[in-house]
Amino acid sequence: EDQVTQSPEALRLQEGESSSLNCSYTVSGLRGLFWYRQDPGKGPEFLFTLYSAGEEKEKERLKATLTKKESFLHITAPKPEDSATYLCAVQAGSSTTGKLIFGQGTTLQVKP
Amino acid sequence: DTGVSQNPRHKITKRGQNVTFRCDPISEHNRLYWYRQTLGQGPEFLTYFQNEAQLEKSRLLSDRFSAERPKGSFSTLEIQRTEQGDSAMYLCASSLVEGQGYTQYFGPGTRLTVL
Repeated sequence: EDQVTQSPEALRLQEGESSSLNCSYTVSGLRGLFWYRQDPGKGPEFLFTLYSAGEEKEKERLKATLTKKESFLHITAPKPEDSATYLCAVQAGSSTTGKLIFGQGTTLQVKP
Repeated sequence: DTGVSQNPRHKITKRGQNVTFRCDPISEHNRLYWYRQTLGQGPEFLTYFQNEAQLEKSRLLSDRFSAERPKGSFSTLEIQRTEQGDSAMYLCASSLVEGQGYTQYFGPGTRLTVL
């Protein structure tokens, strides 16, 4: 069964304190791995798509990496406005519809 | 391009009532998805449309749920005889077929509360 597990469930950082969020996945042929940011009461906002092991993508203070079993979202020198829930999702190669399978998310709080 | 829109943003209803939500995808996106998200969890897939055809339904979508996408444009999700367990955020997403993956863009969601 295709599955995504994110850790930790919650993370508190001081402003400027870098850290990483983990996304472990089991999927029948990975078509793509996606990172989203979700603010309270809002829909997920797209951040990155990764397709193959070894791929990396960056956007401002965020960098996403991918291996054959997991993905990391590295946050460098975070600011309070980075506080949100970060969701990881996969698309299985066996799926013809492209539906996403999500993890439960990591809630990040950055204190000034 | 104004993104995916959903209406209403919030809906409060009494148990047993019917409710209908609307989703307007990004123009020219041929794929449309509905997900449900409960507190503290990631979104869960409900159903998928390619143009006007509904091609997959999750087992989460009981007989009380029905979705349509007439003419391959906007979509509606109807819940009949609502139950308290239906309380959740209902999310709509749209995408184009593009290469290896299908990046999905989400709307703001409709928060349903069943009393």
